Amino acid sequence: AQKITQTQPGMFVQEKEAVTLDCTYDTSDQSYGLFWYKQPSSGEMIFLIYQGSYDEQNATEGRYSLNFQKARKSANLVISASQLGDSAMYFCAMSLWNQGGKLIFGQGTELSVKP
Amino acid sequence: DTGVSQDPRHKITKRGQNVTFRCDPISEHNRLYWYRQTLGQGPEFLTYFQNEAQLEKSRLLSDRFSAERPKGSFSTLEIQRTEQGDSAMYLCASSPRQPSYEQYFGPGTRLTVT
Repeated sequence: AQKITQTQPGMFVQEKEAVTLDCTYDTSDQSYGLFWYKQPSSGEMIFLIYQGSYDEQNATEGRYSLNFQKARKSANLVISASQLGDSAMYFCAMSLWNQGGKLIFGQGTELSVKP
Repeated sequence: DTGVSQDPRHKITKRGQNVTFRCDPISEHNRLYWYRQTLGQGPEFLTYFQNEAQLEKSRLLSDRFSAERPKGSFSTLEIQRTEQGDSAMYLCASSPRQPSYEQYFGPGTRLTVT
């Protein structure tokens, strides 16, 4: 069965420091995508970064990078130079290309950035 | 603003009433997805459309739920005879043709059933 696991319910980080949010996934499919979304208290899901299963390079988007380790089935999000505005829920998700691209989400990690 | 829009943003209804939500996707996106998110959980897939065709429905979508996407443009999600367990955030997302592309989410409709 396809599943996303986020084992950190809550994380704290000092402003300007880097933080890693963990994500592991389970699928027997070869073609899939991995996503990270940010959900502030307003409720909107904000796309952060995407990694395709065939991409050899780790994805980067500004202060966000995705540490993709295919053999370990992990897709950790690294946020560099944390800002107070980064405080939010973060969801890891997987898209299976042979199932119409629907997203399977993890339980989320609540990140709090301390000044 | 050319993002995904949803209406209404909030809905309070009494148990047993019917409610309908609307989603307007990004205009060039032919795939549209509905998700439900309860407090403290990640979103769960409900159903998706490719153009006007509804291609998959989750087992979460009971007979009281129906979704449409006439003419492959906006979509509606109707819940009949609402129950307190239907209280949740209902999220709509759209994506371009390729399933590998990211999905762009709307602001969501928060439903409270009293």
